[in-house]
Parts: sequence; C-alpha cells; structure tokens
Amino acid sequence: SQTIHQWPATLVQPVGSPLSLECTVEGTSNPNLYWYRQAAGRGLQLLFYSVGIGQISSEVPQNLSASRPQDRQFILSSKKLLLSDSGFYLCAWITSGTDTQYFGPGTRLTVL
Amino acid sequence: GESVGLHLPTLSVQEGDNSIINCAYSNSASDYFIWYKQESGKGPQFIIDIRSNMDKRQGQRVTVLLNKTVKHLSLQIAATQPGDSAVYFCAEIHFPFSGGYNKLIFGAGTRLAVHP
Repeated sequence: SQTIHQWPATLVQPVGSPLSLECTVEGTSNPNLYWYRQAAGRGLQLLFYSVGIGQISSEVPQNLSASRPQDRQFILSSKKLLLSDSGFYLCAWITSGTDTQYFGPGTRLTVL
Repeated sequence: GESVGLHLPTLSVQEGDNSIINCAYSNSASDYFIWYKQESGKGPQFIIDIRSNMDKRQGQRVTVLLNKTVKHLSLQIAATQPGDSAVYFCAEIHFPFSGGYNKLIFGAGTRLAVHP
C-alpha cells in the first residue's frame, strides 16, 4: 500500500534561518506531488506542485522554493525564513491519471 | 474568483445524533468533489468523494449529497461518535486541468464537536 512520510514533525526556527522540509512517498511510481500550507484554524493553500522529477510549478510567489530530486521525494526550502512562514505544512500525492489527493502527517513550523 | 466555502464554521452535536455539514461551491463546471476530515495536528484524511454525474454517494456511516442546481454539497454522518470530532473540509476539482495537474480548491472548514 502507499504511504507518505514527512519530516520533521515539528520545527522551531529563528527568523532569517534556512529551511528544508522533506516529503517521501512509498508504494507508487510517478506520483504528482504537492506542498500546502495551513495557517492556524484556516484552510489549505497550495504552494507548489510537481508532475515529475525536476518539474516544479509555483502557485503563489513567496519566500519558499521546492525541488523534486527523485521520483518520490519532494523538498520544500527557504534561504531565509520570515515570521509569516509559520504554519502547518502538508505534502500530498496523487497517482497520475486519478483525482484523489492523499495527505501526509504534516510538519508544524514555528518561526520566532 | 472561484471558491468553495462552508456555511457553518462550528457544529455541535450530541453523541448518537446525525450530523450534516454543508458546503457551497461557485464553479459550476467542477466535476469532482471530496470531503476530508482533519484531526488536530494531523493531515487531512480522505472520507468520501462524488462526481458531478451523481447526486448521492454512501460510505460507512457517511453520505455525500450533491445538488448541482444550487451548487451545494453536504456531508451527512450517521450516529455521530466522539471520534468524529474534527474539522471537515470540502474540496473541489477545478477543470479544465492546467499544466496537467489536479488542482483542489479547499473550503475554510467546519469544526464538528461531538458531546457525550
């Protein structure tokens, strides 16, 4: 069966520090991968999506970037974190040709 | 712009009662809808989905109803249990695909609180 992992689970970082969040998917090949951010008590905002290795599309201009170095690995990064980058970051996957997205457990990021 | 929203931010029910969570959508061309359940500190969990060629779909204790005339979606939970307490999101697939990817538009969410 397919599983999706995210790490770390929680992270506290100072303003101006770099960021690297990792997402990996098991049990599927060539998935579409997504990064979302969720502010406290709010809905999900799509940040990036990827349909294949090295293929990244950004939904919202911001302080973050994404990379997909391997088929089942998706990384969210920042060179310098802002206070506004705090939130719950979710990775999701979908098998190409289907419609349902499945989410990982999330990473809680607090920028101080 | 296109949006998916929810009528009630918080819904409180007694254990054993039926719950109904509502959602309005604005894109009449949308073809696919999903309900997710999100417990505190966890990622959203898929509950049930429905396509626009259907008006009702049933799962285990859950039923999704789609009214395309008024662009309304609802999730019904039978015999609500304490474990059903969570935030529920509806999500809408925007068509046509852009760049070959599946884009979900999420509503703000409804918090369901189940009281013993």
